[in-house]
Amino acid sequence: QDQLVQSGAEVKKPGSSVKVSCKASGGTFSSYTFSWVRQAPGQGLEWMGRIIPILDIANYTQKFQGRVTITADKSTSTAYMELNSLRSEDTAVYYCTRGGTSFDMDVWGKGTTITVSS
Amino acid sequence: QSALTQPASVSGSPGQSITISCTGTSSDVGGYNYVSWYQQHPGKAPKLMIYEVNNRPSGISNRFSGSKSGNTASLTISGLQAEDEADYYCSSYTSINTFYVFGTGTKVTVL
Repeated sequence: QDQLVQSGAEVKKPGSSVKVSCKASGGTFSSYTFSWVRQAPGQGLEWMGRIIPILDIANYTQKFQGRVTITADKSTSTAYMELNSLRSEDTAVYYCTRGGTSFDMDVWGKGTTITVSS
Repeated sequence: QSALTQPASVSGSPGQSITISCTGTSSDVGGYNYVSWYQQHPGKAPKLMIYEVNNRPSGISNRFSGSKSGNTASLTISGLQAEDEADYYCSSYTSINTFYVFGTGTKVTVL
């Protein structure tokens, strides 16, 4: 069964950085894209960016440009999302997702809760 | 890039049909057949229900169907069941600024 296993919850100080991992199983890692989507408490879904492992190309939404870095390690089938200069508004659940047939996301990780607090 | 517009809530009785709308622009919903729908139960990750406007992934009940007209996409749930009570989000490819844009989300209540 295809699945994405994410790293555990973290509590970070404002101004610090966090790096979340997402290990994929099932399917051929390099043949998919992997996106990161976040959801603040009680709020909707927000797409942050994606990586195309076979091309090693990442795309980011303008809101997070310069503050987020998405990478992939093909040798371990793991995608990563690093977010810098954390602020309280970054407190959210961060989901790793796998690109499906086209511009959809067919497999989701369980989510990683990041809490930013002094 | 603004979020796609969805009604905040929709409700129906068991066995009824409900429809959730998702309104965008010609740069997203209206311009491409890349509309997806996701179901999210409380405390859980979203689940893909519909992709490319009207296609169901393997294992998704045929009670769920999608359509699109102009800049508005729709998700219809027929034969409403208690387990359908959840939040639903639409998503579309967009040619502006970012590849994906999500809808504002709709809470479905089964009366």
